[in-house]
Amino acid sequence: DIVMTQTPSSQAVSAGEKVTMSCKSSQSLLYSENKKNYLAWYQQKPGQSPKLLISWASTRESGVPDRFIGSGSGTDFTLTISSVQAEDLAVYYCEQYYDTPFTFGSGTKLEIK
Amino acid sequence: QVTLKESGPGILQPSQTLSLTCTFSGFSLSTYGMGVGWIRQPSGKGLEWLANIWWDDDKYYNPSLKNRLTISKDTSNNQAFLKITNVDTADTATYYCARIVSGGDYWGQGVMVTVSS
Repeated sequence: DIVMTQTPSSQAVSAGEKVTMSCKSSQSLLYSENKKNYLAWYQQKPGQSPKLLISWASTRESGVPDRFIGSGSGTDFTLTISSVQAEDLAVYYCEQYYDTPFTFGSGTKLEIK
Repeated sequence: QVTLKESGPGILQPSQTLSLTCTFSGFSLSTYGMGVGWIRQPSGKGLEWLANIWWDDDKYYNPSLKNRLTISKDTSNNQAFLKITNVDTADTATYYCARIVSGGDYWGQGVMVTVSS
């Protein structure tokens, strides 16, 4: 199985600050034939289902604010929130869909100071 | 508009079989490239991908649950199903279904399942 490692497990930031969180995979998620990274980022707010924010490592889903930025390739990926808002309080998960079983990271809990 | 909704028994006893239904609208599981997946989340914990079924009836199961899972679909009625045999307390979780295109782009609200004697 591909192991997804997310860091940090939690972080607290003030509104307006920039935050970055990391996701590393145990093997490359870059498919050579189409040059795509099979990596997604989800946001799960308290009491809600996960919501897909970013697919293909850097493609923002429709309606997702542009302060959410996905980057990286191969085995190292980053989710950046350029200016955190109070409503961004959530747990953020990365997930690889390169190979079965699809696997999730353990999540980064974002707290607002 | 894409929507998915899970349904299940709520509570069941150890060793029983858990049967879950995902009823969806806004897409067809007969469309090329479309899939539905099942994911679960114990309370306060992370996400675990269980099984996928694709438009061509290809199926994937998480090996960690060995041979306990069976996924199926009813394309005509826009439903997908998951069965988990021989449940125990470790299967207590919220179970989600999700449409799979590039990752899970739409998720249901989830159904809580408790295994208890």
